[in-house]
Amino acid sequence: QVRLQESGPGLVKPSETLSLTCTVSAGSISSYQWSWIRQSPGKGLEWIGYYSYSGSSNYNPSLKSRVTVSLDTSKTQFSLKLTSVTDADTAVYYCARALPGGYNLWYFDWWGQGTLVTVSS
Amino acid sequence: QLVLTQSPSASASLGASVKLTCTLSSGHSSYAIAWHQQQPEKGPRYLMKVYSDGSHNKGDGIPDRFSGSSSGAERYLTISSLQSEDEADYYCQTSATGSVIFGGGTKLTVL
Repeated sequence: QVRLQESGPGLVKPSETLSLTCTVSAGSISSYQWSWIRQSPGKGLEWIGYYSYSGSSNYNPSLKSRVTVSLDTSKTQFSLKLTSVTDADTAVYYCARALPGGYNLWYFDWWGQGTLVTVSS
Repeated sequence: QLVLTQSPSASASLGASVKLTCTLSSGHSSYAIAWHQQQPEKGPRYLMKVYSDGSHNKGDGIPDRFSGSSSGAERYLTISSLQSEDEADYYCQTSATGSVIFGGGTKLTVL
């Protein structure tokens, strides 16, 4: 069973950089696609971006200018950096593993439990 | 533009069945999707993949009460013999050209 655990500061000041890490236990991080997803209070799920085992990455166009997702295979971790945060970035942030499902589909088969990040001065 | 549309809410009685719908936008009726369940105050959990031919593949440990099907651009999640723990938000999800899309979610109330 794969386990993902998010970690990082729960409070970030406006205009600063949000940094989170996801630690993966069981299974190789050198395969698959590793994503960050967030959920603002009372809202639905919003995909942020991924880093793939192939070395490629892709981001939600609405966040692309502020987001970086990276992989540290030696530590079986992947990370999220979101710059210039505002109140609108307050959310629960989830990390997740994606597998190819055939045809068009990459789907999330394992999720972390999530970590709340509040943007406030 | 690829969009997934879900009804915001649904309800059904304990022990009954319910069918949730996820509709793919025009031009994407052949796409496969995944269903995820989010119980209150918990992270999402993967339920199954559903394909345009109506076939589905469930995740490990997902009860037989959960099944998937398709018709045209619609992808369905059917839950039979509803239990109280099925009260949750249900999201459909797909991907294309490197981007991931979620539906807005359906909040299921078990009466």
